[in-house]
Amino acid sequence: DVKVTQSSRYLVKRTGEKVFLECVQDMDHENMFWYRQDPGLGLRLIYFSYDVKMKEKGDIPEGYSVSREKKERFSLILESASTNQTSMYLCASSSPTGSYEQYFGPGTRLTVT
Amino acid sequence: RKEVEQDPGPFNVPEGATVAFNCTYSNSASQSFFWYRQDCRKEPKLLMSVYSSGNEDGRFTAQLNRASQYISLLIRDSKLSDSATYLCVVNPGNTGGFKTIFGAGTRLFVKA
Repeated sequence: DVKVTQSSRYLVKRTGEKVFLECVQDMDHENMFWYRQDPGLGLRLIYFSYDVKMKEKGDIPEGYSVSREKKERFSLILESASTNQTSMYLCASSSPTGSYEQYFGPGTRLTVT
Repeated sequence: RKEVEQDPGPFNVPEGATVAFNCTYSNSASQSFFWYRQDCRKEPKLLMSVYSSGNEDGRFTAQLNRASQYISLLIRDSKLSDSATYLCVVNPGNTGGFKTIFGAGTRLFVKA
């Protein structure tokens, strides 16, 4: 059974804190993604990675960075958390061939106070 | 104009009803299309891919109209368990799945 896991389901941080969100997949997928999901806006792509140490900006990369040191792990970093980064963060992975189906983790609901 | 647009709903239907969702996309070069389902407080999961010839999976039928740039999802004989948000998903062009665009979703409530 395919699996994408995220380090936390719920997280509360203070403005200005550095925040790390971890994502691990066990499907040997090359592609990994970080999205945020907000009511009425749907999923918006923050960053994606198509290989170890490779990363590309998505549609809303400002205020975020990522790290992919191992194929199975993709980390999202908020360098200095702000209240407008309060959101649901979803990690996904996919194979670059075939159907491009994306498999999602359970999400991390981040609240920045 | 959003790249992928859906009616947000909610659609409130009784059990056994037939309900249809439409989704429009702006990029005529889009190559692959999907419907995902997202239950409340859960992650999205693939419901079905949408093929040019249309495809059916049990009570679910997906259709693609390239000329008008829309896709549709038809649910027949609705069940309580169909209550969820349905996301229209488009891959524009041959990008290896990197630039997948998700619609904001259509909420469906099926009532007893």
